[in-house]
Amino acid sequence: QVQLVQSGAEVKKPGASVKVSCKASGYTFTSYYIHWVRQAPGQGLEWMGIINPGGVSTSYAQKFQGRVTMTRATSTTTVYMELSSLRSEDTAVYYCARDRGQTYLDAFDIWGQGTKVTVSS
Amino acid sequence: EIVLTQSPGTLSLSPGERATLSCRPSQSVTSRYLAWYQQKPGQAPRLLIYGASSRATGIPDRFSGSGSGTDFTLTISRLEPEDFAVYFCHQYGNLPVTFGQGTKLEIK
Repeated sequence: QVQLVQSGAEVKKPGASVKVSCKASGYTFTSYYIHWVRQAPGQGLEWMGIINPGGVSTSYAQKFQGRVTMTRATSTTTVYMELSSLRSEDTAVYYCARDRGQTYLDAFDIWGQGTKVTVSS
Repeated sequence: EIVLTQSPGTLSLSPGERATLSCRPSQSVTSRYLAWYQQKPGQAPRLLIYGASSRATGIPDRFSGSGSGTDFTLTISRLEPEDFAVYFCHQYGNLPVTFGQGTKLEIK
């Protein structure tokens, strides 16, 4: 079945980096964009950026420019999100989500299970 | 950036009742670029409605969406026990895509 499976929970110290993976299966990996969204404890959803697994294009939310990098490995159908210079406010659950359209922006029809990232000294 | 304001913040209803949730964008959003999600504790969001009124695969027909421009509504015609959750609206017509702050639907 179509699914996105994310890597496990992480605990990081302030100033460190974290890299979260999102493995896609059950569909043509290169045909659908992937978004990253985070949710701080008890809060709403915050969009971080989008990557085209079929090419090299990315677009990041201004808030994360310079701190976030999204990449993909087509051989393993995996997308990665790396966030650097972590601070306590980055403590959140990070989700990858598939864009349902095959031509750029659309609703998010498949979500990963989420990866909890805790930033604490 | 388009800000989505959802109301009410919390809605207390009983099973069998009708729920009406509102989402108001700070600027006009084309209908095809508005979605609704349901999220239960400890779970990822689930797509319910896209294009303002199209139900996603497997979503029961008690869920319906409507609206245009700066006024969108999610309606649940007869609440089932499993419908009590948090609901988010989402606009994806412009980057950055944005989400509403959520409406918590709780059992009265």
